Amino acid sequence: KAGVTQTPRYLIKTRGQQVTLSCSPISGHRSVSWYQQTPGQGLQFLFEYFSETQRNKGNFPGRFSGRQFSNSRSEMNVSTLELGDSALYLCASSPQSLATGYTFGSGTRLTVV
Amino acid sequence: KNEVEQSPQNLTAQEGEFITINCSYSVGISALHWLQQHPGGGIVSLFMLSSGKKKHGRLIATINIQEKHSSLHITASHPRDSAVYICAVRSVNYGGSQGNLIFGKGTKLSVKP
Repeated sequence: KAGVTQTPRYLIKTRGQQVTLSCSPISGHRSVSWYQQTPGQGLQFLFEYFSETQRNKGNFPGRFSGRQFSNSRSEMNVSTLELGDSALYLCASSPQSLATGYTFGSGTRLTVV
Repeated sequence: KNEVEQSPQNLTAQEGEFITINCSYSVGISALHWLQQHPGGGIVSLFMLSSGKKKHGRLIATINIQEKHSSLHITASHPRDSAVYICAVRSVNYGGSQGNLIFGKGTKLSVKP
């Protein structure tokens, strides 16, 4: 059974650019959530989708956005990149409701220069 | 004050020792998660608790909802248990719907042979 797949694994972008990260959940999982991890702030919740609907959103500026497609795959987009956006971005999927355990992807490490 | 506090921040143990990591939270929750993160970033979901106690191999997790406290125990610790252990709570929104995941800062465990 394939795990949660995040692409790309590594990314270097310049300040002001935008970036799109992709997450393919485990087959049959309908819930996908996104997290940012930095050395200073630790893990922080970005947003969560279930059946193409955003259910919750963390305390991040509007430059951070996401969506989920009908096949449960999800993308997150960060526009007008800032140096502080450099982080490990993790995605996790779960079968249906929010009250079940998560399976995490390996993450996308974004470096903004 | 953070909504989720973990202690200790760092822990060094000798192989075979019994280890306890604590997590206290200040918000209403629907569930509490224990996560394990190895160097390189991969996160594994260990437990999801809403009450009582769960056991998986040498790992035991307990939660006391009244005291807003959870503990993760590792019996007969081994160097392969060396990792960062992260506590996360699923908050409850006003109105009772499930809210965001809020993370502790993590406990870095090092088990020496």
